Amino acid sequence: QQPVQSPQAVILREGEDAVINCSSSKALYSVHWYRQKHGEAPVFLMILLKGGEQKGHEKISASFNEKKQQSSLYLTASQLSYSGTYFCGTEIVSGGSNYKLTFGKGTLLTVNP
Amino acid sequence: DSGVTQTPKHLITATGQRVTLRCSPRSGDLSVYWYQQSLDQGLQFLIQYYNGEERAKGNILERFSAQQFPDLHSELNLSSLELGDSALYFCASSVDVSTGTEAFFGQGTRLTVV
Repeated sequence: QQPVQSPQAVILREGEDAVINCSSSKALYSVHWYRQKHGEAPVFLMILLKGGEQKGHEKISASFNEKKQQSSLYLTASQLSYSGTYFCGTEIVSGGSNYKLTFGKGTLLTVNP
Repeated sequence: DSGVTQTPKHLITATGQRVTLRCSPRSGDLSVYWYQQSLDQGLQFLIQYYNGEERAKGNILERFSAQQFPDLHSELNLSSLELGDSALYFCASSVDVSTGTEAFFGQGTRLTVV
């Protein structure tokens, strides 16, 4: 049930773009994106809901293809502060109306000057 | 500061022992999640509580148990500890359990089993 993220790692120069993908074998109700810097807690970036609604970050965008059960996170004109591990979290139904939030293994993004 | 408090921050204990990790959710949040993070496994979902009731279970070992108390704080109990239980344990909270609800993470408890 754990979503699959790709790539596992990516190295960029400041100003370059990156795409991180997330896919699931289960029908999804929403996709969450979090960023974790080394030694810190994961921090919320964005939620994409079934039906197209998005909530979150100003400079980072994402897409959610419900039919393909996939999401992609787009990081444009990357900044040094974007470095960290990005986690995709997927919500699937877990009994009745409860939704379980399960994360992928993460994508390590390194932005160099 | 996410508003989620986890204690202790670090814990070192011997194999076979039992420990309790504590989590205080953000004010107003009714749902608490526990995750285990080891080097190559990402964030492994363990268990979720909502307003005192267990709502979802993930890859939680039988040696582990959790509960959420009336004041909404939660405890994760790990017993018969093994070396492989060494990891960072995160607690997260959210307002409710409906889809599309943002989760806020605590700073984690780093458990080292020696």
